[in-house]
Order: sequence, then C-alpha cells, then structure tokens
Amino acid sequence: EVQLVESGGGLVKPGGSLRLSCAASGFTFSSYSMNWVRQAPGKGLEWVSSISSSSSYIYYADSVKGRFTISRDNAKNSLYLQMNSLRAEDTAVYYCARAFHWFGEFDYWGQGTLVTVSS
Amino acid sequence: QSVLTQPPSVSGAPGQRVTISCTGSSSNIGAGYDVHWYQQLPGTAPKLLIYGNSNRPSGVPDRFSGSKSGTSASLAITGLQAEDEADYYCQSYDSSLGVFGGGTKLTVL
Repeated sequence: EVQLVESGGGLVKPGGSLRLSCAASGFTFSSYSMNWVRQAPGKGLEWVSSISSSSSYIYYADSVKGRFTISRDNAKNSLYLQMNSLRAEDTAVYYCARAFHWFGEFDYWGQGTLVTVSS
Repeated sequence: QSVLTQPPSVSGAPGQRVTISCTGSSSNIGAGYDVHWYQQLPGTAPKLLIYGNSNRPSGVPDRFSGSKSGTSASLAITGLQAEDEADYYCQSYDSSLGVFGGGTKLTVL
C-alpha cells in the first residue's frame, strides 16, 4: 500500500525556520518525482515545489523561491522541505504528493502537516 | 488570482449533470500540458479524479469524465450523488511550474 506521511509541522515565529519531512513506503520511491503542495486555511491548493527522481531537476513557486529548499534521500525513502525566513502567509497545511511522470499528475498524497507562522 | 480559472461554485440536484470549467492560456493548457482533476472532501487530502485530461484512475466511477480543448478543460459529473459534494481542483503546468485552479465547491441540492 502506498503511504506518504508528512511530519515536522508546528508553530514558528515570523522569520524562523522549519524542516518538513515526508516518509514514503509501498512503492519504489527512487522512480518517482515528488512534490510539495500547500493549502492555507480556507483557501485553495498551491503548488510549492517539485523534485525529479534523481534530484536533477528542481522547481519552486515564485512565492517561496530563495526561501525554501526541496531535497530527497532515496536511500531513506524520504522527501524534505527546508523552510527559512517564514512569513505569516506561509501558514498552511503542507502535503507531499508523488508523480510518476515529470509534469504529471499527483496520484498519491499524504495527509498533510500544519505549519503556523505567528508571533 | 490563480493561473487557471474555475467557477467558485456549482450546484445540482441528485441525478443531474454538472460541469466545472478550467480556463487557462497559451503558456499552460494551450502549451500542451495535460490537465488533471482532484476531489477534496472536507477535512481530507486531495484525491486524484482525472489524469491526462480524460483518464480515470482505478476506482473512480465512470460518472466522472474530463475533456480538454484549446486553452480550457472541463470536468463533468453525471448522475450527481450526495457524496459528490466536495471541492474540485484542476491542475496543470505553466512554463514548467505547477499550477492549480482556484477550486470549485460543488453543492448537491
């Protein structure tokens, strides 16, 4: 069974940092590109970042570029999102999602982890 | 302001057919990127509903169908059921970056 389990969310002050993790199981992690998608409270989905299966290609939304860093460890079947210089508008549930094809659909999603940026 | 435009809400009675539009531009849907659709029930993670413009994953009822033409795509739901009440999102890519529509809330009357 495919499972994606996010962790690392919590309350952080503006300007602070947080590192999210996504533990994958039930599939060959190294064969899939991985993505982070977020959803602010009561709002729609926002694509955050994508990383290809071998980390050769990485893209970020303009809203997080220069502040967030996506990475993965295929040996540990894990995806990460290092978030620095956090702002109130980064408050959201962060989901990890897999995609078999680059520019493909997100066929499995985790349950999400809540990040709250507030003083 | 989302790159892909969806109506904020649609509604229909049980058994009826509803459609949800997703309008893009020449840099995303019109550039040849596929459109995918997700269903999000209250308090849950999104679930893939349609991929590659018109394909249904295993387990998705054939009441759900998708199409794409030019710079737009649409999701159709026939035989509306109470459990279809949810938020629906279209997704594609724009100059290699992921983009979502603003989401459409479907209300089953």
